[in-house]
Amino acid sequence: QKEVEQNSGPLSVPEGAIASLNCTYSDRGSQSFFWYRQYSGKSPELIMSIYSNGDKEDGRFTAQLNKASQYVSLLIRDSQPSDSATYLCAVRGGSYIPTFGRGTSLIVHP
Amino acid sequence: NAGVMQNPRHLVRRRGQEARLRCSPMKGHSHVYWYRQLPEEGLKFMVYLQKENIIDESGMPKERFSAEFPKEGPSILRIQQVVRGDSAAYFCASSPIHTQETQYFGPGTRLLVL
Repeated sequence: QKEVEQNSGPLSVPEGAIASLNCTYSDRGSQSFFWYRQYSGKSPELIMSIYSNGDKEDGRFTAQLNKASQYVSLLIRDSQPSDSATYLCAVRGGSYIPTFGRGTSLIVHP
Repeated sequence: NAGVMQNPRHLVRRRGQEARLRCSPMKGHSHVYWYRQLPEEGLKFMVYLQKENIIDESGMPKERFSAEFPKEGPSILRIQQVVRGDSAAYFCASSPIHTQETQYFGPGTRLLVL
C-alpha cells in the first residue's frame, strides 16, 4: 500500500513569513513528486513538480526533495493571504497513477 | 486554449437514480484520469483511460461504476443506482500524449445524492 502522509494542519503563518509544508512517502521507488494547491470548492492546481534530489525554485515557491529520507517539502516565501488554501502532495512511482496525500491546510493571516 | 472541461458542475440525484459525469480533456491530451474526493479527504484515484481503452480501473468500485472514453466525444463516468455515500466531488484530469507526468485537473462535478 503506497502511502503519502501530510500534516492536515491548519498551518497558520503571518503575512510575509515563510510557510513550510512537508510530505513523506512510503514507496522508495517513487520517481515524480508534485505539489498542488486547492482552494476551497475548487479543483487542484499544479504549482510545482520535482524529480531529482535537491531544491527547485519557481518564484516564491521552492520544492525540496530528499529521496533517502523519503520526504518532499514546499516552501512559500513572503506568504500572502491569497496563498491560503489546501496543499496536496502527490507522488508517482512506476505506474502512471500518482498517490495523493490528504493535504495540509495553510492559513496566512494579515 | 481551453483547459479540462467537466459537466455538469453540480448534479443532484435521488437514491437509485443514475449519474453521468462528463469530461473533455485539454486539446492534444489523450489520457484521462478520474478521481473522487470526499470532504476532508484526499483525492482517490478511480480509473485511467486512453481513447477507447481502460488502462487501469483498480480504484473504481466493482459494482455500479463504469467509465468510458470513446473515440469521439468526452469521457464519461457513470454511476448507476446512486447511494448517499456516492456524494462527493469527482475530478477529471488529463495529460498529454507524450508524457504522463503532469496532470491538469478540470473544475470537478459535485454530486449530491438525496
